[in-house]
Amino acid sequence: QVQLVQSGAEVKQPGSSVKVSCRASGGSFHNDAFNWVRHAPGQGLEWMGRIVPMFGTVTFPQRFQGRLTITADEFTSTTYMELRSLRPEDTAVYYCAREDYDFWSGDYTFYYYMDLWGKGTTVTVSS
Amino acid sequence: QSALTQPPSASGSPGQSVTISCAGSSSDVGNYNYVSWYQHHPGKAPKLIIYEVTKRPSGVPNRFSGSKSGNTASLTVSGLQADDEADYYCCSYAGSDNLVFGGGTKLTVL
Repeated sequence: QVQLVQSGAEVKQPGSSVKVSCRASGGSFHNDAFNWVRHAPGQGLEWMGRIVPMFGTVTFPQRFQGRLTITADEFTSTTYMELRSLRPEDTAVYYCAREDYDFWSGDYTFYYYMDLWGKGTTVTVSS
Repeated sequence: QSALTQPPSASGSPGQSVTISCAGSSSDVGNYNYVSWYQHHPGKAPKLIIYEVTKRPSGVPNRFSGSKSGNTASLTVSGLQADDEADYYCCSYAGSDNLVFGGGTKLTVL
């Protein structure tokens, strides 16, 4: 049974960086896409971006441009989310979530829903 | 992209039905049939309960149903049970492979 196992909680100073990992165990990593979603206290879920490990392609909203890096290591079936220049408002629970996609004729089409989630990693940004 | 708009709270008694709305725009909900809904019990991982507007993953009870009209999607939970008390989030495709979530609705079973 596939599980997404995330790294442990982090406490960071404002201005520093955090790197959260998400390892897929018990199933395919190569044929899936992985999203990162965060949940700040008192706020709704926020989609942060997605990586397709097979191609190394990453998509994320403009508001994270310059601060966010999402990578994947196929040898360890692990995806990473690194957020830089941390601010107190980045305090949140960070989730990774799997998304399926179809690959056909050199292009891929996402399913646009996330069917398996990790348990989340709490990141606290405080001085 | 702007977050989708959900009512902050909803409630119903056991056995009743409740509907949660998710208002978007012609750039997301209104233009694509890629609306999904997630149930989130605090401290646990979110769980997919509806995808592609109306479809239920295997194992999700048929008490959960989804629909869409124009720029607004809806989740209906019928035959409310105590365990349905949770936060519910809608999510829509918003073009250019981007996704956008709603602000969430806290469902209380009275």
